[in-house]
Amino acid sequence: AQSVAQPEDQVNVAEGNPLTVKCTYSVSGNPYLFWYVQYPNRGLQFLLKYITGDNLVKGSYGFEAEFNKSQTSFHLKKPSALVSDSALYFCAVSQRGTNAGKSTFGDGTTLTVKP
Amino acid sequence: DTAVSQTPKYLVTQMGNDKSIKCEQNLGHDTMYWYKQDSKKFLKIMFSYNNKELIINETVPNRFSPKSPDKAHLNLHINSLELGDSAVYFCASSQDAGTGNTIYFGEGSWLTVV
Repeated sequence: AQSVAQPEDQVNVAEGNPLTVKCTYSVSGNPYLFWYVQYPNRGLQFLLKYITGDNLVKGSYGFEAEFNKSQTSFHLKKPSALVSDSALYFCAVSQRGTNAGKSTFGDGTTLTVKP
Repeated sequence: DTAVSQTPKYLVTQMGNDKSIKCEQNLGHDTMYWYKQDSKKFLKIMFSYNNKELIINETVPNRFSPKSPDKAHLNLHINSLELGDSAVYFCASSQDAGTGNTIYFGEGSWLTVV
């Protein structure tokens, strides 16, 4: 069975500071990993994904994530946070060869960026 | 142009009623989904259709019945609504059912059962 953990329910950072939203996963074989963002009263929006290749993945809005196989992690990062980054962030994992709908989503981390 | 659109956005109804949520995607995708997000924001897959064929049917009460008239549309009908059905329901789509595909979500339908 696959699983994903987002150990922090809430992350608070000051505007301009770097931010990290943590994600660890468990899956058989090599994973597909995703980050999605949900703004208040909106649907989830795709940020980035790791499929294969370079462990550092760059995505939308200046976000990036690093796939670390030995630590089974896929932390989301941004060098300089904006107030507008405040939202709910979901990490998701899929086992290769399964259905996209079988992705497992984490419980979400609420990011608050203060001016 | 909205890629995945669902209606209604808000729905308040009484227990025991039957209601439907409609979804359409204009991305040309083969696969569509229904997800449920509860009050704690946890997200769970309910159903998935690939080219009108049901391919995922998670543990969902049979009061919930999805229907896909064509691959661009996936509707969700709920019979005999219960208080516990109150949630946000997201329609979504992906290019196909392959694992690495990005899932594109609609804006959600906020269902409140009173």
